[in-house]
Amino acid sequence: AQSVAQPEDQVNVAEGNPLTVKCTYSVSGNPYLFWYVQYPNRGLQFLLKYITGDNLVKGSYGFEAEFNKSQTSFHLKKPSALVSDSALYFCAVRGPEYGNKLVFGAGTILRVKS
Amino acid sequence: DSGVTQTPKHLITATGQRVTLRCSPRSGDLSVYWYQQSLDQGLQFLIQYYNGEERAKGNILERFSAQQFPDLHSELNLSSLELGDSALYFCASSVGLENYNEQFFGPGTRLTVL
Repeated sequence: AQSVAQPEDQVNVAEGNPLTVKCTYSVSGNPYLFWYVQYPNRGLQFLLKYITGDNLVKGSYGFEAEFNKSQTSFHLKKPSALVSDSALYFCAVRGPEYGNKLVFGAGTILRVKS
Repeated sequence: DSGVTQTPKHLITATGQRVTLRCSPRSGDLSVYWYQQSLDQGLQFLIQYYNGEERAKGNILERFSAQQFPDLHSELNLSSLELGDSALYFCASSVGLENYNEQFFGPGTRLTVL
């Protein structure tokens, strides 16, 4: 089984609508969870991370993510999508369960249409 | 701008050749990571250095090697290149070794092997 699963290759949403990009991880324990965004021909940019504490994490550009331990999920959310949010989004996990390496999901393309 | 620099931006070479990719981490970051991004393999961790010493290895081929110099810049050497080595190679850096530290990515080097 994949360590990190992003079940949707692509998510389409209209500008102004809320968006969700899904991520689940497969290993029990307490890994650290990250979201990164990649714009065309650019490197990855860090958005947010979950270490411990409050299950709702706020990050850059109005994004937030909700950690759910029982469902081993860490979905990325934004209340109101912008066309400029269109990009490739990666979920990643890191912890002893993953050999202390940052393991990425396959990525989800987000398309926001005006 | 993440503060991580990579050179060159693009590299075109032939099969069997050897190339060197260079990375300068963010000021103050001691950890450097190398990743390969390709369409079929996604984002794969290759290797990590911390303050000049190798710390972790991922799916790095024996034809590939890396090092981190006293000034903390790092080089990834790829030899006996094959067509399948064509990919985007990213360098990332973080402050230390802790798993909860986010990594900051450079813009990448696009390698094309003809």
